[in-house]
Amino acid sequence: AQTVTQSQPEMSVQEAETVTLSCTYDTSESDYYLFWYKQPPSRQMILVIRQEAYKQQNATENRFSVNFQKAAKSFSLKISDSQLGDAAMYFCAYRSGEETSGSRLTFGEGTQLTVNP
Amino acid sequence: DAGITQSPRYKITETGRQVTLMCHQTWSHSYMFWYRQDLGHGLRLIYYSAAADITDKGEVPDGYVVSRSKTENFPLTLESATRSQTSVYFCASRRDHAGIGSPLHFGNGTRLTVT
Repeated sequence: AQTVTQSQPEMSVQEAETVTLSCTYDTSESDYYLFWYKQPPSRQMILVIRQEAYKQQNATENRFSVNFQKAAKSFSLKISDSQLGDAAMYFCAYRSGEETSGSRLTFGEGTQLTVNP
Repeated sequence: DAGITQSPRYKITETGRQVTLMCHQTWSHSYMFWYRQDLGHGLRLIYYSAAADITDKGEVPDGYVVSRSKTENFPLTLESATRSQTSVYFCASRRDHAGIGSPLHFGNGTRLTVT
């Protein structure tokens, strides 16, 4: 079974600075997808970014980018120019590329990000 | 653009009671999921459904029952609630024909407290 680990329960960053959230995963599969979700205090789960394992290029979405290291099974999220609205719980998630997996996501434990003004 | 609606948003119940959490989606997505969120565990899959009348267990199914008689509804029932089932519950769906890499769409969650 796949596992996802986020080793930083809490992180903090100064407004306008850059922060990196760590995520590692364990799998024997070669085809899979990785996601970062953001959960603000409203509890809403918001997709931040997605990475396909077969793509070598790291995904970017505006101020959010990932460092995907397939051999190391690492998938970190970098937030540049941090804003107060980035304060949230961030979850890393894994999905198998096999259709038989039922599209289920396996989540990490989460990292609570605080942005200081 | 209703999306996924969960009800109730908050629920307090007593140990041993049966309680049902509702999930309704307006997209007619085939895949639907129930997760529970607990501090230190992230989100864990309880049950999922690939289509109406097709359901399967996830990581933590014990104590829960699901049904899917209609594509748009996926209720989760706690047959005899226990304090360990105090949690935030999320329903999610996945868009059809968008590829297995497409993201899940989540409801806003139900916070359940079992006293």
